[in-house]
Amino acid sequence: GQQVQQSPASLVLQEGENAELQCNFSTSLNSMQWFYQRPGGSLVSLFYNPSGTKQSGRLTSTTVIKERRSSLHISSSQTTDSGTYLCAMEPYAQGLTFGLGTRVSVFP
Amino acid sequence: NAGVIQTPRHKVTGKGQEATLWCEPISGHSAVFWYRQTIVQGLEFLTYFRNQAPIDDSGMPKERFSAQMPNQSHSTLKIQSTQPQDSAVYLCASSLDRWGGYEQYFGPGTRLTVL
Repeated sequence: GQQVQQSPASLVLQEGENAELQCNFSTSLNSMQWFYQRPGGSLVSLFYNPSGTKQSGRLTSTTVIKERRSSLHISSSQTTDSGTYLCAMEPYAQGLTFGLGTRVSVFP
Repeated sequence: NAGVIQTPRHKVTGKGQEATLWCEPISGHSAVFWYRQTIVQGLEFLTYFRNQAPIDDSGMPKERFSAQMPNQSHSTLKIQSTQPQDSAVYLCASSLDRWGGYEQYFGPGTRLTVL
């Protein structure tokens, strides 16, 4: 089964709305990372967050390693937030295992 | 800091031809990773080097795919006898990496199309 489960698969927002993206892991992990990707674009690292809460502008990531979950909160969404958000887990000293992503569409 | 550099950005090969993809990691980073992204499978880990030594190639197809890191400034992924199912975006990433636990930075990828 999928080791990294992301929900929801897609999300439609009106500009200004908040959103919460979830990531659940089926195995133990050393750390995790959130990425953003536009269609045809590069993977941009948003947060490297092994535990606790981190904030960058309108984005907040919270990871609870013992519960094998992480969330990404988008506040006051903007049309430029549209794209795919991917979470990935890092088992100890191995490559990342990615979820399938949450596709976010923000309309004015 | 130029970030992770990948060349070429796009490559088109005929079925059965060889493709070599290049990656230059961020200066000072000791770990280099290769991934593949397709619409159907999403992002998949292929292989991983630390200090130029191969550490984990559990994601690499056993036939036709090979990766090397001859020096700390570049790594190559070679696909022999390319097949249409090899068409994908191949991504390289690097990290400081002290036995795991460091943020990975990705390059722009090489889009491989096998006709």
